[in-house]
Amino acid sequence: GAGVSQSPSNKVTEKGKDVELRCDPISGHTALYWYRQSLGQGLEFLIYFQGNSAPDKSGLPSDRFSAERTGGSVSTLTIQRTQQEDSAVYLCASSLAGTGVSSGGWGTEAFFGQGTRLTVV
Amino acid sequence: LAKTTQPISMDSYEGQEVNITCSHNNIATNDYITWYQQFPSQGPRFIIQGYKTKVTNEVASLFIPADRKSSTLSLPRVSLSDTAVYYCLVGGSGGYQKVTFGTGTKLQVIP
Repeated sequence: GAGVSQSPSNKVTEKGKDVELRCDPISGHTALYWYRQSLGQGLEFLIYFQGNSAPDKSGLPSDRFSAERTGGSVSTLTIQRTQQEDSAVYLCASSLAGTGVSSGGWGTEAFFGQGTRLTVV
Repeated sequence: LAKTTQPISMDSYEGQEVNITCSHNNIATNDYITWYQQFPSQGPRFIIQGYKTKVTNEVASLFIPADRKSSTLSLPRVSLSDTAVYYCLVGGSGGYQKVTFGTGTKLQVIP
């Protein structure tokens, strides 16, 4: 694909329901990131996948949040028992590599999707 | 983790050069400096990245002094379409997962 694709673009859900957000990274990108952006705020890191390594989940705000990345490509962010404070735009990004300047890590551009706007009512 | 400080907002007239300065006093040896641009309802978009001295591309220039404790993004001759939020990031071997995008600088270009 031409870029990072996220679906759905908008999601309205009732408090207490579970939601799944999908991210299709750019083909060949080994690193994938999820961020959350509340209205008028900066981006908050949630979770990071790099190849077959164990994901860095240090940014997940609670155990209601989880993410998977199948086959090193598509990723799904799941939020269980949604709360109103979960309302935000969830952004996914991918890059060629995630860590290590020598491996082209940080020096590599991250490409972002358009995001999924989640509204919990 | 290197923390960045940048102005919350700036206004500029069309056609003028805009300089946005970012402070990162505790930048680490391996850290790069990267700037992203974000339009409303879109994900951030990479603008420019540098390690030291000056970097220029078709969109912007990035000036980094010798001590690397700050950096300045320079946008030449801005147009209304440059109205956006600009984020300054620093990071190195930790990768993007170790970086938090701050609130950025909201640039408003005035006709």
